[in-house]
Amino acid sequence: GAGVSQSPRYKVAKRGQDVALRCDPISGHVSLFWYQQALGQGPEFLTYFQNEAQLDKSGLPSDRFFAERPEGSVSTLKIQRTQQEDSAVYLCASSLEGLYTEAFFGQGTRLTVV
Amino acid sequence: AQKVTQAQTEISVVEKEDVTLDCVYETRDTTYYLFWYKQPPSGELVFLIRRNSFDEQNEISGRYSWNFQKSTSSFNFTITASQVVDSAVYFCALSEALDDKIIFGKGTRLHILP
Repeated sequence: GAGVSQSPRYKVAKRGQDVALRCDPISGHVSLFWYQQALGQGPEFLTYFQNEAQLDKSGLPSDRFFAERPEGSVSTLKIQRTQQEDSAVYLCASSLEGLYTEAFFGQGTRLTVV
Repeated sequence: AQKVTQAQTEISVVEKEDVTLDCVYETRDTTYYLFWYKQPPSGELVFLIRRNSFDEQNEISGRYSWNFQKSTSSFNFTITASQVVDSAVYFCALSEALDDKIIFGKGTRLHILP
C-alpha cells in the first residue's frame, strides 16, 4: 500500500478485556516498530522486528503485551487484560532497513480502556 | 543514557513570523542520528530530517532549516515565514548507532495564528 496502515483507528476496551491492534507496513519494508504514545507525551519504543524476527522487545511494559509478525509483513500487538494505564495511541512504523533508512509511521490506534 | 529535551512545551506565533524550536540531546555514543518529526492533528508522524553525528553542516529545505551544534548538543529547527499549515506538534528524536529504537522528546506544540 501507499503507507503504513493501522487498524482499528479507535478502540474502546473494558478493563480486563484483551485487544489486538494490527499494522500493515509498507510492502517490502524489512523493519517494523511499535511505539506507545501517551497523551501529551512523545512516542515511546515498545518493540522492533526485522522480518519475522523480534529483535528487541525491551520496551514492552509488562508480560501482558505481546507482538508478533509471523510472516514478516503484517504485525499484531496484543494486550491482555487491559488496564486503564494502557490507554494511549499505539503507533506502528516501518522502514526498508532499520533506522539507516527513513521510518514511516502509521496514523496510530487510539486505545481507551474504561 | 539517551535523552532528548524539548524545553518549549507550546509556542504561538503569528503567521509569517519565523520560529525556532529547541532541542537538546544527551548520549554517550559518538555515532548517533538525530531526527525531527511533525505530528499534525491527524496523528501520523511525518519525517522531516535525519542527521548523523558526523555531519554538522546545517541544512535548509525550503522554509525549514536545522542547526546542529555538537558543542552544545543541540539540534534546533527553524521555520521561516511560518504558515497556518505548520501548526502541529514537532518532535526531536535521537537514535544511537547499532540501536533499533528512536528516543523522542516530549514535543513542542506549535500554533501559527492567522
